[in-house]
Amino acid sequence: GAVVSQHPSWVICKSGTSVKIECRSLDFQATTMFWYRQFPKQSLMLMATSNEGSKATYEQGVEKDKFLINHASLTLSTLTVTSAHPEDSSFYICSAEKIGRAIHEQYFGPGTRLTVT
Amino acid sequence: AQKITQTQPGMFVQEKEAVTLDCTYDTSDPSYGLFWYKQPSSGEMIFLIYQGSYDQQNATEGRYSLNFQKARKSANLVISASQLGDSAMYFCAMEGASKIIFGSGTRLSIRP
Repeated sequence: GAVVSQHPSWVICKSGTSVKIECRSLDFQATTMFWYRQFPKQSLMLMATSNEGSKATYEQGVEKDKFLINHASLTLSTLTVTSAHPEDSSFYICSAEKIGRAIHEQYFGPGTRLTVT
Repeated sequence: AQKITQTQPGMFVQEKEAVTLDCTYDTSDPSYGLFWYKQPSSGEMIFLIYQGSYDQQNATEGRYSLNFQKARKSANLVISASQLGDSAMYFCAMEGASKIIFGSGTRLSIRP
């Protein structure tokens, strides 16, 4: 199968601090990973596309200086929420695209629930 | 611009009945793909079914089938013989421009 993990699964932090979320493809390599944000009872909104070895592509309205993305290897992408505020509290989900496959073969991580107090 | 629309925010269905979840889309791309995902309360996104725009036959995966009507730009999900474990949020999604966009979702509740 194709498994994607996220760490941590949930995190509570104080306003003004930074939080790093990891997304790992455990049994396959992924040149492209995607980061989504989901507010309660809402849909997934794409935040950015993360490509290994290059800068991430951010969706309109997403602050790249606030949501830092690093795709350091073919199996790891990280999202850092800098100077987090309560409005950043959300469910963050990553997905990974398997190399050599069409885009529809994306595999989702279990998500990270961030609560900023 | 691409758009996915799910007009049913919530549905209640009796166990063992079939249910159809509606999805319409809009795109100017000649080639695209359509998905359905299930999201239980745990939050994980579970892939259910995929339909390519050039696929001649409707996709089926076990109890799931996708009623693809290209001229109407609709891609409804049909779940046959619903089970209590089918209670979840269901998202229709479309791939295009190297990314996937999601509809607003339908919360399906199965009554015993």
